[in-house]
Amino acid sequence: GESVGLHLPTLSVQEGDNSIINCAYSNSASDYFIWYKQESGKGPQFIIDIRSNMDKRQGQRVTVLLNKTVKHLSLQIAATQPGDSAVYFCAETFSGNTPLVFGKGTRLSVIA
Amino acid sequence: DVKVTQSSRYLVKRTGEKVFLECVQDMDHENMFWYRQDPGLGLRLIYFSYDVKMKEKGDIPEGYSVSREKKERFSLILESASTNQTSMYLCASSGTGYRQPQHFGDGTRLSIL
Repeated sequence: GESVGLHLPTLSVQEGDNSIINCAYSNSASDYFIWYKQESGKGPQFIIDIRSNMDKRQGQRVTVLLNKTVKHLSLQIAATQPGDSAVYFCAETFSGNTPLVFGKGTRLSVIA
Repeated sequence: DVKVTQSSRYLVKRTGEKVFLECVQDMDHENMFWYRQDPGLGLRLIYFSYDVKMKEKGDIPEGYSVSREKKERFSLILESASTNQTSMYLCASSGTGYRQPQHFGDGTRLSIL
């Protein structure tokens, strides 16, 4: 079936630098995407979402970019901090209340 | 803020036991979900519910059942626990309508001995 995947399983970033976490999706019908952050011992925490009628959305220190042409999603974190160290998941859905499909996750490690 | 509460953070049970995992949300959400999370396999959907007394099978329902008697509570039941059900179990809820993010609890780490 359709699934969401990630290009990089691990990412190490120097504190203060910007981070970019990538995600590829295979279902061209997907029209809603979410990024989650999961810290050790906790459940996934909603970060930001984007609908397919947008190509960019900004939050606090985070930006999600959506490229429907190549079915690619990215999460940019500005001025990465040690507290950003976590596993990041992308998720997609494509109709009404269809359950989300999650990627495997990327581990972000911030080097102080 | 949405609050999804799972009754236990850690649970140890024996093979063959009937196990109940409880989840409560305080945002009047219609939709509730149960996942298990295993290293290398990511989040896998077990069951979900769009309304009270309704349930739908997810990707891996075998060996599990669910109960949704009240809107705020969604229970996952392991009818006869087996060692391959040792995992992290995550509950989530979301509002009705299109394009609503799911909000997760902090999980129950279940060990079956």
